[in-house]
Amino acid sequence: GAVVSQHPSWVICKSGTSVKIECRSLDFQATTMFWYRQFPKQSLMLMATSNEGSKATYEQGVEKDKFLINHASLTLSTLTVTSAHPEDSSFYICSALEGASSYNEQFFGPGTRLTVL
Amino acid sequence: KNEVEQSPQNLTAQEGEFITINCSYSVGISALHWLQQHPGGGIVSLFMLSSGKKKHGRLIATINIQEKHSSLHITASHPRDSAVYICAVYFMDSNYQLIWGAGTKLIIKP
Repeated sequence: GAVVSQHPSWVICKSGTSVKIECRSLDFQATTMFWYRQFPKQSLMLMATSNEGSKATYEQGVEKDKFLINHASLTLSTLTVTSAHPEDSSFYICSALEGASSYNEQFFGPGTRLTVL
Repeated sequence: KNEVEQSPQNLTAQEGEFITINCSYSVGISALHWLQQHPGGGIVSLFMLSSGKKKHGRLIATINIQEKHSSLHITASHPRDSAVYICAVYFMDSNYQLIWGAGTKLIIKP
């Protein structure tokens, strides 16, 4: 199947700093990518839908100025957590939609564990 | 309301047992994903199906559109199958967005 990578796989940062997470589709072009976060023992929660060349669509309750998403190419989307705080500590997972159909298969990255001290 | 329910929430079995995890959903769907999440957190898509049955190795996924129900079966289970299994669906009115079940935590004891 298609491969999606994320970098870094884990990051520890001080409160107030910004952290950038990259999501890449390695062997296919993804016009749409999704960003999820997962708190311990909870299900994934969709944060935003990222479309190449346009602004991301954020889910209700997700601060777009805090979680900056850039999808500048068909193989790369980035999530920047700005001015991170301990409550932002979470597991962040991206997925990429293969193809242009409404329900083509999503392929998931391995996730990035963010710890804010 | 678009809802996805999985059962059981937790399942512990002995190595070699046949495992069944169930997923029910509330209204019509376009497609359904079965995913596996290992303790490290990474998610692997096992199947995406919209009708019938799919098989990959020891894993079998079935879906009954009329009954709004899907099952994931594992034959000859092994400790390395221990993971959280998640059902997620594309509802017909949700365009791209997956609606997630709560997951089933499976532990296979040797």
